[in-house]
Amino acid sequence: EPEVTQTPSHQVTQMGQEVILRCVPISNHLYFYWYRQILGQKVEFLVSFYNNEISEKSEIFDDQFSVERPDGSNFTLKIRSTKLEDSAMYFCASSLLAGGDYGENIQYFGAGTRLSVL
Amino acid sequence: DAKTTQPNSMESNEEEPVHLPCNHSTISGTDYIHWYRQLPSQGPEYVIHGLTSNVNNRMASLAIAEDRKSSTLILHRATLRDAAVYYCITGYSTLTFGKGTMLLVSP
Repeated sequence: EPEVTQTPSHQVTQMGQEVILRCVPISNHLYFYWYRQILGQKVEFLVSFYNNEISEKSEIFDDQFSVERPDGSNFTLKIRSTKLEDSAMYFCASSLLAGGDYGENIQYFGAGTRLSVL
Repeated sequence: DAKTTQPNSMESNEEEPVHLPCNHSTISGTDYIHWYRQLPSQGPEYVIHGLTSNVNNRMASLAIAEDRKSSTLILHRATLRDAAVYYCITGYSTLTFGKGTMLLVSP
């Protein structure tokens, strides 16, 4: 069964360093997402991406974050200068359809990357 | 914040049915009802979704109230592997996760 893969599974970095989290969405999916989950807290939406553009982003997704689809298969989240509070699980998801006119949106999640900022 | 209300936790015995309730009184006419679950140390996993009619798939059943202000996820025979946090989410675009219901399954 197709799945979303994320690498690395665990990333340790020093405060102020740049990190890139990588995701390979399901191959025929068109919509891509990043979420994060701080330990013990809710899963929070960061950003959605379609047709090489950000389609929606949350307040969390500030100027230190960026996303990119550098080729036909990868989807990346870059954190420019990491802070201690960026420590969390980061989940990538993809979907074939989106909401709105299509009326439904089934997202498939990867296993996540645990980011530890020291 | 999430637009749904779920109990914080529920308990079940293995091989018994489980009914997980969700209230979504402010749901709009075009919003789907989605259920996801998150097993320990894993990413969220899609379970089922519906709009107005009850739905069945290999994982679960979804019973939707006639006024659409509530729904119930039904696991017909709980297994130990079903122990997870279950999220009821309404909307159509981004998924807004609440705290969900932690389902504990005892052998």
